[in-house]
Amino acid sequence: DIVMTQSPDSLAVSLGERATINCKSSQSVLYSSNNKNYLTWYQQKPGQPPKLLIYWASTRESGVADRFSGSGSGTDFTLTISSLQAEDVAVYYCQQHYILPCTFGQGTKLEI
Amino acid sequence: QVQLTQSGGEVKKPGASVKVSCKASGYTFSSYAITWVRQAPGQGLEWMGWISAYSGHTNHAQKLQGRVTMTTDTSTRTAYMELRSLRSDDTAVYYCARGRGSSWSAMFDYWGQGTLVTVSS
Repeated sequence: DIVMTQSPDSLAVSLGERATINCKSSQSVLYSSNNKNYLTWYQQKPGQPPKLLIYWASTRESGVADRFSGSGSGTDFTLTISSLQAEDVAVYYCQQHYILPCTFGQGTKLEI
Repeated sequence: QVQLTQSGGEVKKPGASVKVSCKASGYTFSSYAITWVRQAPGQGLEWMGWISAYSGHTNHAQKLQGRVTMTTDTSTRTAYMELRSLRSDDTAVYYCARGRGSSWSAMFDYWGQGTLVTVSS
């Protein structure tokens, strides 16, 4: 199985500041035939299901605020929130769908 | 609009079975896969498996081998996940999610509200 490791486990950032969450996969999730990274980011707020934020490592889902961005390729990925808002408090998960079984990172708890 | 509506919470005794339903609306059911994900209390997300709503083809996590069955009923646009021989560590919120595509390899763009399954004697 591909192991997804996020860092840090938790993060406290001031309002308006930048938040950066890292995700490392135990093997590449880049499919050379289409040059796509099979890496997705989700946001989960307490008591809610996860919400799709970023797919193909860097494509923002429709309706997601443009302060959210994703980058990286191969095995190393980053989710960046450029200017933290109060409503961004949540747990963030990366997930690969390159090889079965799909696997999630352990989550990063983002606080103010 | 796309919606996935799950059945209500369940309390089961160890060794029993549970069947969670996920009713889809707002899209062509057979064109997308359904994935099941669970989350134990205070823990992260765990992929359980997926089913093609078109072909019925499924694949599930190795650790659930022999205990889980995923099915769909295209006439009612409903997906089901049955878990047998329940143990206390199966206590979790169970989510269904739509995969953006007909195969297992997809991002999950719509999620059900979750179903809490509690296993306790």
